[in-house]
Formats: sequence, structure tokens, C-alpha cells
Amino acid sequence: TQLLEQSPQFLSIQEGENLTVYCNSSSVFSSLQWYRQEPGEGPVLLVTVVTGGEVKKLKRLTFQFGDARKDSSLHITAAQPGDTGLYLCAGARRSGGSNYKLTFGKGTLLTVNP
Amino acid sequence: NAGVTQTPKFQVLKTGQSMTLQCAQDMNHEYMSWYRQDPGMGLRLIHYSVGAGITDQGEVPNGYNVSRSTTEDFPLRLLSAAPSQTSVYFCASRRTGTGGFQPQHFGDGTRLSIL
Repeated sequence: TQLLEQSPQFLSIQEGENLTVYCNSSSVFSSLQWYRQEPGEGPVLLVTVVTGGEVKKLKRLTFQFGDARKDSSLHITAAQPGDTGLYLCAGARRSGGSNYKLTFGKGTLLTVNP
Repeated sequence: NAGVTQTPKFQVLKTGQSMTLQCAQDMNHEYMSWYRQDPGMGLRLIHYSVGAGITDQGEVPNGYNVSRSTTEDFPLRLLSAAPSQTSVYFCASRRTGTGGFQPQHFGDGTRLSIL
């Protein structure tokens, strides 16, 4: 059972277009993280959202955490070829004491064509 | 400024061989973990450790062993390699503690092929 569903799985767009990637679950998370992974490298953290309804902006990237803390979205404005990569969402749930268990979605592979 | 270092970057094994994937971090992080990444499957947790001397199983632990004798190192051992273990393996580390979830730092991966 996939705890975190990401959509779309693949996305190919032209430079300058806008796009939104979704991360959905039936479970509540303590926080949700978004990572970007480039070929041959490990994932790199972009942002962590913690509060239901929270919106964070990172230049042209806007991240939103759902009110119920079950879903999140990543919106990119005026996409550029440098945005190309695999975008992963990861939900954190407390697993005892101060420890958290992190569950990853399968990722959205974004290609931005010049 | 090393972060999480994984070695080797590439490895080809024959079925039945054993090997150890190395992982070291220099950030004094308590929590370390191993993931495998396969096309269409995302990142799946193999084993993790919340501190030296403590390890536990993740989602897909069969065929793998780990140990944590120091804070810095968390090696992953393949006991008898099988073609199904062909994958890209990532080591990650983060702090534990209260106050919310800590960012996870990943190595650049080990690309492993089992023939």
C-alpha cells in the first residue's frame, strides 16, 4: 500500500510554463518535506512544511500543506530548464519518543524543455 | 564540508557474492538510514539506526545486514547478492530530537548491478 501518492508521475513542459505537482495521502503527517533529485545525485531537501494550511515560497516554487495535513502541492511558476529533475515528497510521522518515520512518494519526473 | 559520503559509487557483482556498501557522515547525526531506489518504486527504507549500537529494520530488510559501531559509520552488507538487489542505494543521516522533523541529508548513491 502506497502511503503517499504523487501525481503526475511524469511531466514534460516548455520553458516559461507553470506546473503543479501533488502529493496525497489518507494519513495525517507531522510534517511534509519536498526534495529534488538530479541524475547521479542524492535527493536534496527543498522545504519542510509543518502547519496545516502553511504556504512557503522558495523563489519561483510555492509549497502548500493541506489544512488537514494529509496532502501537499508544489507549484512552479515560469519553469526553467534548471528545474528539471525528480521531485519527491516525504511525509513524517512520529514513531516513538522523539523519532520520526519518513515515507517517500514515488516521485514526479519533471522535464523542462528550452 | 563532506556531509554524507558513500563508497563505492558503482559496483558490479555476480549472484551469490557478498559485499559491503560504506556510508560515513561528519555531521554528528544520530539517525542514519539506508534506502534503495528503483524505477517506479520510489525510495524504500532498508534499515535504520537511531544511534551507535542500535539498528532496526525498515520496509525491505531481507537480504541486508547493518551495524552501527560508531556515530559516523553505517555500513550495509549484502549477504548473498541476488539480481533483485540491483538498484541504486542511498545512505542518509539527520539529527533526532524534539521540536519537529529534522532535514535529511543524502549521499550521492551507490549504483549496484547483480549479474
